[in-house]
Amino acid sequence: AQKVTQAQTEISVVEKEDVTLDCVYETRDTTYYLFWYKQPPSGELVFLIRRNSFDEQNEISGRYSWNFQKSTSSFNFTITASQVVDSAVYFCALSEARGGNDMRFGAGTRLTVKP
Amino acid sequence: GAGVSQTPSNKVTEKGKYVELRCDPISGHTALYWYRQSLGQGPEFLIYFQGTGAADDSGLPNDRFFAVRPEGSVSTLKIQRTERGDSAVYLCASSLAGGHGEQYFGPGTRLTVT
Repeated sequence: AQKVTQAQTEISVVEKEDVTLDCVYETRDTTYYLFWYKQPPSGELVFLIRRNSFDEQNEISGRYSWNFQKSTSSFNFTITASQVVDSAVYFCALSEARGGNDMRFGAGTRLTVKP
Repeated sequence: GAGVSQTPSNKVTEKGKYVELRCDPISGHTALYWYRQSLGQGPEFLIYFQGTGAADDSGLPNDRFFAVRPEGSVSTLKIQRTERGDSAVYLCASSLAGGHGEQYFGPGTRLTVT
């Protein structure tokens, strides 16, 4: 069964600090997809990134970067020079190619960025 | 363009009543998903539609839950004989073609069963 663990329940940083959100997953499938979503206080989940299991290249998008390591089954998310607007709950999710169409979400990490 | 919309935004009902929650996906998206999110948890998959048919309903917790998408666009999630444990935010998402592509979420319907 697929499983996603986000061990950090809450993180608090001061603006301009870098912060890394951890995501560890479990799957028996060789083909799978990993996602990160942001849920700001307004409540609507915002898609950030999708990565398939065959693409281990790290990705950078502005202040956001993602480190995918199959050897440790991790897909960590780093925000560089954090801003108050980054405050939200961040979810990591996994979808297996053979496991149907559901995304299995982690419990989320609540990030608070203080000015 | 317009995103996924859900109505109502809030619904309070008494235990035992029937409720319907509506989702209007992004125009042109063939795949539609329902999730349930309890406080402090990540979304939990309920059901997936590809077009008009329920391609995967493995996440529905029991037979009190049912969903339809008769014309391949708007979907309604129906809950019979509501229980207090059904209280949660019900999220709808749509995707251009389904499969394992990115899903775009609506604002959710907060259901409270008293």
